[in-house]
Amino acid sequence: DVKVTQSSRYLVKRTGEKVFLECVQDMDHENMFWYRQDPGLGLRLIYFSYDVKMKEKGDIPEGYSVSREKKERFSLILESASTNQTSMYLCASSPGQIAKNIQYFGAGTRLSVL
Amino acid sequence: QQQVKQSPQSLIVQKGGISIINCAYENTAFDYFPWYQQFPGKGPALLIAIRPDVSEKKEGRFTISFNKSAKQFSLHIMDSQPGDSATYFCAASMGGGFKTIFGAGTRLFVKA
Repeated sequence: DVKVTQSSRYLVKRTGEKVFLECVQDMDHENMFWYRQDPGLGLRLIYFSYDVKMKEKGDIPEGYSVSREKKERFSLILESASTNQTSMYLCASSPGQIAKNIQYFGAGTRLSVL
Repeated sequence: QQQVKQSPQSLIVQKGGISIINCAYENTAFDYFPWYQQFPGKGPALLIAIRPDVSEKKEGRFTISFNKSAKQFSLHIMDSQPGDSATYFCAASMGGGFKTIFGAGTRLFVKA
């Protein structure tokens, strides 16, 4: 089974703090994604990566950055956390083959910014 | 053009009934239409998916109906069970999955 592990289930941070969300996958997938999930808005893509050290902006990248130094690990960074970044954050990975668009998700990190 | 519109937002169905969730898209470049199921405290997981060259796909009690001309697709859950209670997301994908747009989600509750 594919396993995508997010390091924290719950996080509480203060406004202005730098926040790191970590994600690790164990299936040697080329592609990794970060989404945020908000009620009534579905899942919105923040950033994705198709290879080590490669990254592409998604639909809502403002206020976020990412890092992918190793194939299995994809980190989401909130440079200066704000209250409007309180949300559920989901990491996903998928194989590199074009025919396989299936994404495998972690359990999520619920972040509260006070 | 990038939106996927999903309805209803929430759905209550009696055990044994049929649950129907509808989605519509605009961009004809989408070439893969998955449905994800999410239980509380878990991440979404792929339930069933379809490509636009077929009109229907069935896996057990779950069926996707796809209408390419209307740019609509729907999920039917036959003989709905309390264990099906979850949030369901439709999605539309292209570019090998790099561009996947999710619907807003439908919270399904199946009454015992």
